[in-house]
Amino acid sequence: DAGITQSPRHKVTETGTPVTLRCHQTENHRYMYWYRQDPGHGLRLIHYSYGVKDTDKGEVSDGYSVSRSKTEDFLLTLESATSSQTSVYFCAISVRETQYFGPGTRLLVL
Amino acid sequence: SQELEQSPQSLIVQEGKNLTINCTSSKTLYGLYWYKQKYGEGLIFLMMLQKGGEEKSHEKITAKLDEKKQQSSLHITASQPSHAGIYLCGADTNLGRDDKIIFGKGTRLHILP
Repeated sequence: DAGITQSPRHKVTETGTPVTLRCHQTENHRYMYWYRQDPGHGLRLIHYSYGVKDTDKGEVSDGYSVSRSKTEDFLLTLESATSSQTSVYFCAISVRETQYFGPGTRLLVL
Repeated sequence: SQELEQSPQSLIVQEGKNLTINCTSSKTLYGLYWYKQKYGEGLIFLMMLQKGGEEKSHEKITAKLDEKKQQSSLHITASQPSHAGIYLCGADTNLGRDDKIIFGKGTRLHILP
């Protein structure tokens, strides 16, 4: 258990509404990541962070923003949710070059 | 950019049979990770391989990295229902400080009782 929690675990929202997903770790690891997982595409990196207030874009960052004001929390925001953002979102931390994943958040955008 | 291809995409085997999943990279692998994902759950780290020819085992699962470091295989001996799930390989992009990993699309494994 890498001490990673995600909230909420499930969410249904409507197109155009903002949504924030939270990733929380208990061990103060420096690197954190947000991925989305979709059939046919596998896991794709959205954004990542290498420290407080230090973030960078991943492969599929359009329509997403992130913030990291504390080491333990990494927030992913969908500024105006679209149906194409319906997905399963995973947070991960890096521990000695190995990534460990949270349980995921299932998001449905209607 | 580096790409990972997994084969097969899906696999159905009888309980007790052996099976192999392959992961092929378009570039040299600096680190190769294997994860397992149960349906509807998060990813569980299995093993990491870094050296050409390296082989690691965990219970009945063995992973190997070829000498050229462009292909890895995951072998399950005497499969059990608990082995069912999605297996993903991931590659260290070796782009510096960020520990980023790119993933293959996964192999879905079903075990028939």
